[in-house]
Amino acid sequence: QQPVQSPQAVILREGEDAVINCSSSKALYSVHWYRQKHGEAPVFLMILLKGGEQKGHDKISASFNEKKQQSSLYLTASQLSYSGTYFCGTAGGYQKVTFGTGTKLQVIP
Amino acid sequence: DAGVIQSPRHEVTEMGQEVTLRCKPISGHDYLFWYRQTMMRGLELLIYFNNNVPIDDSGMPEDRFSAKMPNASFSTLKIQPSEPRDSAVYFCASSLAPRQAPAGDTEAFFGQGTRLTVV
Repeated sequence: QQPVQSPQAVILREGEDAVINCSSSKALYSVHWYRQKHGEAPVFLMILLKGGEQKGHDKISASFNEKKQQSSLYLTASQLSYSGTYFCGTAGGYQKVTFGTGTKLQVIP
Repeated sequence: DAGVIQSPRHEVTEMGQEVTLRCKPISGHDYLFWYRQTMMRGLELLIYFNNNVPIDDSGMPEDRFSAKMPNASFSTLKIQPSEPRDSAVYFCASSLAPRQAPAGDTEAFFGQGTRLTVV
């Protein structure tokens, strides 16, 4: 089953923060985050393995709570370059990654 | 490395025709994935291979879809016969083997996709 992402879409002004949530009904081993710009391929952001770790990538970070089967992606001080669709992918213990339907993020000046 | 290479980039075909999409993964990668992207369903995993062997094809929508990986550097996704509802962007991705058991801890590199339109 696909993980569920929320919100489906969000509009931010430059400098504002955002949180994208991802939840699964199945036990998870890892959560993957990707960003896709319009007309391009998805690009890897980060992987979080079970253990409740938090990771950072520039001003983008994420957390993973395997007990709740949830992950959140945090974007701070957003930049125009952050615009795109963010996908979370979940893996239950194998290389099979199932993606959510995505969260469309638009950053405006 | 040039990354994952897919061809063609765009394909327009008539309903009922056979369509073959091609993918060259990154050299040395052990896993290859085929995804389909639509507005309604997002990124759906169709099938994936490990060392050229299909591991899970549960996402293949119908028998009209088939995928092969004859060697480590080439894979095809075939739709026969094609239907308008198959119109989507098809992505191929590859990844290295997992660093530790059980798995799911290596990133996937996506190709640029093939935009398929069936009219």
